[in-house]
Amino acid sequence: GENVEQHPSTLSVQEGDSAVIKCTYSDSASNYFPWYKQELGKRPQLIIDIRSNVGEKKDQRIAVTLNKTAKHFSLHITETQPEDSAVYFCAASTSFGNEKLTFGTGTRLTIIP
Amino acid sequence: GAGVSQTPSNKVTEKGKYVELRCDPISGHTALYWYRQSLGQGPEFLIYFQGTGAADDSGLPNDRFFAVRPEGSVSTLKIQRTERGDSAVYLCASSLTRGGTDTQYFGPGTRLTVL
Repeated sequence: GENVEQHPSTLSVQEGDSAVIKCTYSDSASNYFPWYKQELGKRPQLIIDIRSNVGEKKDQRIAVTLNKTAKHFSLHITETQPEDSAVYFCAASTSFGNEKLTFGTGTRLTIIP
Repeated sequence: GAGVSQTPSNKVTEKGKYVELRCDPISGHTALYWYRQSLGQGPEFLIYFQGTGAADDSGLPNDRFFAVRPEGSVSTLKIQRTERGDSAVYLCASSLTRGGTDTQYFGPGTRLTVL
């Protein structure tokens, strides 16, 4: 089955700087890669996703890049703000999300004011 | 509109007891997923429904776990003879399944504590 690894497990960044979180996956059939943000005690919320036929996607301060050959994808957050502090999870799925998501172990991002 | 809702928000039970956890998906969403999240971990897949039928139950850890979705909307996750290792947050998600990329929207979860 699919295995998703995520690094780093914790990340502290000065406010205004950029943050990068990296994930690798094992199943070459995976074609959908969402990123979820989870604040303490709250539900995971989708912040951005990418399909395997796209190499990069951007939404304001957030971008995701995908390297299918190397089987890795990354989340980039620019101009970080205190409200970006949360746990971020990457995930992978086949059938463009119409199947189960396999999640990474999460990255706790702390923005230092 | 209303998001995915789950009840109860917290459930404390004793080892060996039976529990039921309920999920109300977003109206019109045909796909419904159950995940389990242990402290400091990512959600772990349990079971997936497409309509009333279980399309994939490969994540259920053993036969003490069972889930139903009799009318294709509300789902109930049932755990028999609970064990301390079952303690976790149980998350439900739903998606529209319109043939394109399907975003899974999560509920707030039920925190299960087995004493």
